[in-house]
Amino acid sequence: QVQLVQSGAEVKKPGASVKVSCKAAGNSLSSSYIHWVRQAPGQGLEWMGIINPSGDFTGYAQSFQGRVTMTRDTSTSTVSMKLSSLSSDDTAIYYCAKEGQNHFDSWGQGTLVTVSS
Amino acid sequence: NFMLTQPHSVSESPGKTVTISCTRSSGSIARNYVQWYQQRPGSAPTIVIYEDNERPSGVPDRFSGSIDKSANSASLTISGLKTEDEADYYCQSYDTSNFYVFGTGTKVTVL
Repeated sequence: QVQLVQSGAEVKKPGASVKVSCKAAGNSLSSSYIHWVRQAPGQGLEWMGIINPSGDFTGYAQSFQGRVTMTRDTSTSTVSMKLSSLSSDDTAIYYCAKEGQNHFDSWGQGTLVTVSS
Repeated sequence: NFMLTQPHSVSESPGKTVTISCTRSSGSIARNYVQWYQQRPGSAPTIVIYEDNERPSGVPDRFSGSIDKSANSASLTISGLKTEDEADYYCQSYDTSNFYVFGTGTKVTVL
């Protein structure tokens, strides 16, 4: 199983943007589809989007269209997710997850993003 | 668009069996595979069932999944319940327009 390591917690003001990164420890992510999933405090899991191995295809959940951008740097095996125009509703733990055989087989440890004035 | 609806919570005693349902609001439950994830407090989710009824290596055979086309739902059954099974469980499926959808989540309490 690939270990995914995410960047640290962030505190942002409303209207700002946040960028969370996800890197594989050891094995490369170069051949994997990577997803982003978030979880608001005390709430369920919400799928945000997907990026393909080469980084030239992304697909986003309708609720995040226009606000989210997922990118990958193949040279460093790092995938990033940028969310803009933050509001308090975006306070959540953000997870990256690697797609295996029709499921998410490895998850990052999660990154807490707090949006507060 | 479709939703996956789960019971909010279920509880049972150690050694017993619990079954969690996941009902698809529109479109056939059999159209796309259903996965089940376990999430313990403070931890990231982990897969327990994929492709409706496949168990990843390392997941005990006490966990099983099934599909009921007549009810348009999927189910996760945990038999021989252990205290370590106490967690939140989420079903997940896929749709070409929605991409990936998670269920509402079920809290399993082992009494």
